[in-house]
Amino acid sequence: DTGVSQNPRHKITKRGQNVTFRCDPISEHNRLYWYRQTLGQGPEFLTYFQNEAQLEKSRLLSDRFSAERPKGSFSTLEIQRTEQGDSAMYLCASSLMGTLGNTIYFGEGSWLTVV
Amino acid sequence: AQKITQTQPGMFVQEKEAVTLDCTYDTSDQSYGLFWYKQPSSGEMIFLIYQGSYDEQNATEGRYSLNFQKARKSANLVISASQLGDSAMYFCAMRETYNNAGNMLTFGGGTRLMVKP
Repeated sequence: DTGVSQNPRHKITKRGQNVTFRCDPISEHNRLYWYRQTLGQGPEFLTYFQNEAQLEKSRLLSDRFSAERPKGSFSTLEIQRTEQGDSAMYLCASSLMGTLGNTIYFGEGSWLTVV
Repeated sequence: AQKITQTQPGMFVQEKEAVTLDCTYDTSDQSYGLFWYKQPSSGEMIFLIYQGSYDEQNATEGRYSLNFQKARKSANLVISASQLGDSAMYFCAMRETYNNAGNMLTFGGGTRLMVKP
């Protein structure tokens, strides 16, 4: 029983470059979330999918950010034209509707540093 | 107003002693859920314990228990018999029901717990 898997775990990129993160949720979890966490803060919601449909996006998700979940399994989060303010940890999480508390399980995160 | 408030930025506890991490929340929902997560330096958010707003008994999971006081809107985490491996950031989070079909969580700012040998 594997947990939520994210890669790459760390990414250093130059300002203006594009980056893409991948998330593999827990098998059979139908909901997938992306959160962003900056140093010293709690995670903030970015977007979520139910199966392959992206159902909600936070106002934090600027038009430089795009997320996909093409087959309702893994998901990608792409950041175009990165800015220094994008430096953060990007956490993916998944849950299964109908379970106790609809508990959300997180991955280990992908650290992004924009230089 | 903050939805989730964790007033203790950092806490020390002696190994083998119990410690309470505070969490207060703000919601007008009648149905909501409260969660605690542990985040070690590796970054992963590890689910610890869940309390539903209609649950009459305090949740317990091993050494973790949740002191739920609904009228005071508090959901403190109690860790008994602290271990060195408990040193980490701890986050309280809430899932509201109203206008939240996606089950999103709102997190507090976290408390850093340091266990002394």
